[in-house]
Amino acid sequence: KAGVTQTPRYLIKTRGQQVTLSCSPISGHRSVSWYQQTPGQGLQFLFEYFSETQRNKGNFPGRFSGRQFSNSRSEMNVSTLELGDSALYLCASSGDPGTGGGGTFGSGTRLTVV
Amino acid sequence: GESVGLHLPTLSVQEGDNSIINCAYSNSASDYFIWYKQESGKGPQFIIDIRSNMDKRQGQRVTVLLNKTVKHLSLQIAATQPGDSAVYFCADTVRSGGSYIPTFGRGTSLIVHP
Repeated sequence: KAGVTQTPRYLIKTRGQQVTLSCSPISGHRSVSWYQQTPGQGLQFLFEYFSETQRNKGNFPGRFSGRQFSNSRSEMNVSTLELGDSALYLCASSGDPGTGGGGTFGSGTRLTVV
Repeated sequence: GESVGLHLPTLSVQEGDNSIINCAYSNSASDYFIWYKQESGKGPQFIIDIRSNMDKRQGQRVTVLLNKTVKHLSLQIAATQPGDSAVYFCADTVRSGGSYIPTFGRGTSLIVHP
């Protein structure tokens, strides 16, 4: 079956702009989590959505937001981009996150802010 | 400004050797632990997990050891192969809102020489 699909794969934005990234989970998975990966900070949890509700949130400013649709697809938005937002953004989907397993990751969206 | 790349610990081994990758965590409340493998250009891939009520778990060619007293995890890879070359992350997780929320280690780069 198809894996987790993230679009676009690469994105270049200008400081101050906003950006929306998309994640299509594995069919049947209702949980989608988002992560930011940078050389300086490593891999960090952003937030998790389950059945269209944000269930958990990491320690990121309010410029980072997300949502989940009824088909479980998820988007994350970053407003007023800063140079430090340049990162690989990863999403992971899970059928039942309560059983563990960490979810299945997509290949990420590489965002560069100039 | 110029970004500074993360200097990951690196483990270089010969093909066929056993590899041991170590990870420390700080949260005493963590109750579930995961090891991931990340190849260049891809998202993290689940390798093996272990719950806090266990101290050892074995998979195919991999073994995870957990020492809760000193908050230490290790991943042992038997008969390391060139295809094992990747960055390896540990994650300790806490249960929140029906999910396991991870905190990731900084990663170790494993290089396997043929």
